[in-house]
Amino acid sequence: DAKTTQPPSMDCAEGRAANLPCNHSTISGNEYVYWYRQIHSQGPQYIIHGLKNNETNEMASLIITEDRKSSTLILPHATLRDTAVYYCIVRPLYNFNKFYFGSGTKLNVKP
Amino acid sequence: GAVVSQHPSWVICKSGTSVKIECRSLDFQATTMFWYRQFPKQSLMLMATSNEGSKATYEQGVEKDKFLINHASLTLSTLTVTSAHPEDSSFYICSAGGLLDRGSGEQYFGPGTRLTVT
Repeated sequence: DAKTTQPPSMDCAEGRAANLPCNHSTISGNEYVYWYRQIHSQGPQYIIHGLKNNETNEMASLIITEDRKSSTLILPHATLRDTAVYYCIVRPLYNFNKFYFGSGTKLNVKP
Repeated sequence: GAVVSQHPSWVICKSGTSVKIECRSLDFQATTMFWYRQFPKQSLMLMATSNEGSKATYEQGVEKDKFLINHASLTLSTLTVTSAHPEDSSFYICSAGGLLDRGSGEQYFGPGTRLTVT
């Protein structure tokens, strides 16, 4: 079962930063936070993951609070192509555990 | 790298017939593959986990005799929807994991298969 809570939708202006929050207050010490997104009628796309340190890659940044009970995905300069449903998932690393998807956040990037 | 393909991308079948969906990892070996189902405007629902060379494990509420899963090789898993009915119409998505050499633990998803049962 999904262990995360996300707002159902958010709007963001094109070119501005999109900050997507996720609550995972019951996260365990060995569980990572993963972010995926799904553009309409496509398979989910991996974005980023982290354990407790902040992470950055070419797509986004992941900020995890010190108590690890919440995190924020940051898209620094949102474009229209970033319009998608964003899923925050927690799961252990390396034991091939399943991904249980919550309801996600629909990000609408507007011109 | 880490590309997962599905075939077909869409299929229409008559009620009562069976449909097979293939999921392939194109450039890596996937020890574990997962099958999801997604209804319109809903999230992905995990159906089953398949490990190469062994029986699939199904999530609670998923009929294993209706959704037959075979993972005969490290690059191919198949999902067969048997005796399909209109309520089985959905978007079926597979993913592949087991990328130990990449060290990241993420799953890579296929593009999905749209099944419509008439």
